[in-house]
Amino acid sequence: AQSVAQPEDQVNVAEGNPLTVKCTYSVSGNPYLFWYVQYPNRGLQFLLKYITGDNLVKGSYGFEAEFNKSQTSFHLKKPSALVSDSALYFCAVSPPTGTASKLTFGTGTRLQVTL
Amino acid sequence: NAGVTQTPKFRVLKTGQSMTLLCAQDMNHEYMYWYRQDPGMGLRLIHYSVGEGTTAKGEVPDGYNVSRLKKQNFLLGLESAAPSQTSVYFCASSGRGPNTGELFFGEGSRLTVL
Repeated sequence: AQSVAQPEDQVNVAEGNPLTVKCTYSVSGNPYLFWYVQYPNRGLQFLLKYITGDNLVKGSYGFEAEFNKSQTSFHLKKPSALVSDSALYFCAVSPPTGTASKLTFGTGTRLQVTL
Repeated sequence: NAGVTQTPKFRVLKTGQSMTLLCAQDMNHEYMYWYRQDPGMGLRLIHYSVGEGTTAKGEVPDGYNVSRLKKQNFLLGLESAAPSQTSVYFCASSGRGPNTGELFFGEGSRLTVL
């Protein structure tokens, strides 16, 4: 069975500093990997995805993520955090077959960016 | 530019009551999904639909029913609500093309069952 782990419930970072939100996964075959962000009292918004190709993928709002097959990781990064980045972040994985009904979400990591 | 709209946004039920959550999308998406979000558990798929007139069970389907009579609408029903169904429910949709995983979510419906 596929799974996603987000080992940190919360990440705290000062504005202007780089941020990393960690994600590791387990899936049969080559994974499709995604990051979503959820602002308070809102639905999830798609940030970025890795399907194939370059291991470093760029997404919305200056975020990027690095796919590492040997470590089965897909960490979310941003070079310089903003207070407005404070939100709940979800990593998700699906196998390379099937629809999004096969998507498995992690439990989420709360990012808190302070001045 | 509405995207995915859910109604109602809040509802309080007593145990045993029934209700329906409505999801509407204006993006002509084929696929629609209902998730529930509970603290510390991420999102779990309840039911989904790959097209008008079709539905399928997700990870946690018990106690829920769904219908997709029109392509743009996906209804989630609770026939006899239980306190364990207290949650935030999200509808999502995605376009044709397998494995994109790019879901468009509504803003959620917060349900409390007393």
